[in-house]
This record gives sequence, C-alpha cells and structure tokens, in this order.
Amino acid sequence: DADVTQTPRNRITKTGKRIMLECSQTKGHDRMYWYRQDPGLGLQLIYYSFDVKDINKGEISDGYSVSRQAQAKFSLSLESAIPNQTALYFCATVGLAGEAKNIQYFGAGTRLSVL
Amino acid sequence: GDSVTQMEGPVTLSEEAFLTINCTYTATGYPSLFWYVQYPGEGLQLLLKATKADDKGSNKGFEATYRKETTSFHLEKGSVQVSDSAVYFCALAGGTSYGKLTFGQGTILTVHP
Repeated sequence: DADVTQTPRNRITKTGKRIMLECSQTKGHDRMYWYRQDPGLGLQLIYYSFDVKDINKGEISDGYSVSRQAQAKFSLSLESAIPNQTALYFCATVGLAGEAKNIQYFGAGTRLSVL
Repeated sequence: GDSVTQMEGPVTLSEEAFLTINCTYTATGYPSLFWYVQYPGEGLQLLLKATKADDKGSNKGFEATYRKETTSFHLEKGSVQVSDSAVYFCALAGGTSYGKLTFGQGTILTVHP
C-alpha cells in the first residue's frame, strides 16, 4: 500500500459545485501539504499543516479550504469550483528527523476538471 | 523570499547522451537542496538531496553538487536511458521556508532510443 493515498484519482465536476479531495498517510508524519500543479508552473503550495491544530495558508489559498481531521488525514475542499481550478492536486507529508528530514513524500495526485 | 530557477525545457536527448539540467536558487541561511522526479501519471518522488555546501547527492546514475558560491545545484547524468523520460524538479527547504519546499517550474526530459 502507498504511504500517501489520495482519493479520488480523477474527478470531473461542474462550475459552482463543492468538492472534497482526501489525503491519508501512514508515515506517521505531523506535517502535511496540499499543492497544485499546472503545466509550466511547477507546484504551488495551497495549504499546509504542522499538526492537527496548526493550519496555514500557502501561496494560492483563495478559493480553497482544508480540514485536518487527524494526524493521518488532511482534506482539501473547493467550496464553489471554477474552471481555472482545473489542475493536478498533490498531497505530501514531510519527515522531520534523520535521513528523512525535509524529504517530502507525495501521493499519486488527483486530476480535477471543472467544466 | 526563497526561489528556485530551472533551465527552460523541454529537453530532448538520444539514449546514452549526457544530461545537464541547470538549477539556481535564492535563499537566506543554509537551505537543503533536492531533485524530485515525476514519471508519467505518478506523484513526485525524491531523486537525490544535499544538505550542505559541497555535498554531492547521487542516485540511479544522477548526480548534483551543492555549490554555495554559485548558488547552484545542477543535475547531471552521464548516459541517459529511455526510462529516464520524466519531469524533473529542483527544490529547496530551510532558509526562510520553515520546512516547506520551494519548487522550480520543472523540466520535461524526453529520451529517444
């Protein structure tokens, strides 16, 4: 099983719909991240969480919200989806100690299309 | 703030050719530097890393040396294979990032037989 699991892998939705992307991890890491990937722009940070009670906005948080339900679960919501939110979304966790320090572990991604 | 700049792509090579993908960074303090690779349809995975100046990271025939004097971390491989076709991302952590990664824009590599 993957260490970082994202669901769904693909989603097509309509403008104005609410949608939730889910992420769960078995790494035991406290820190979790949501990124958006657009062609030619690399990865942009949407939100990050250092623990269950510590959630922070990233570079492009407008139009998104998150929920850290437990150490292992970090969900991303689009309250009212719009077409320019069509992108590939990645969840990641990060190790803090030893050889894993600052290494981010990524899920396989969710491809979202907003029509 | 912190930033990472990668060479423009895409890069197209023949099998067994030499590969260089340039990466330069701007950061305060002493960041850690990384190369991640993304194969088609997959998430990013760590390729190699270096945590201090003059460190050389290496993995799967790829190498990169942390050059503080030129603020660079160029990725090299002496003989690429078709299976190396992927998107490569340079990234940094630390400096003012507080554990977050700052990514370059990615470089698409295509290797032909």
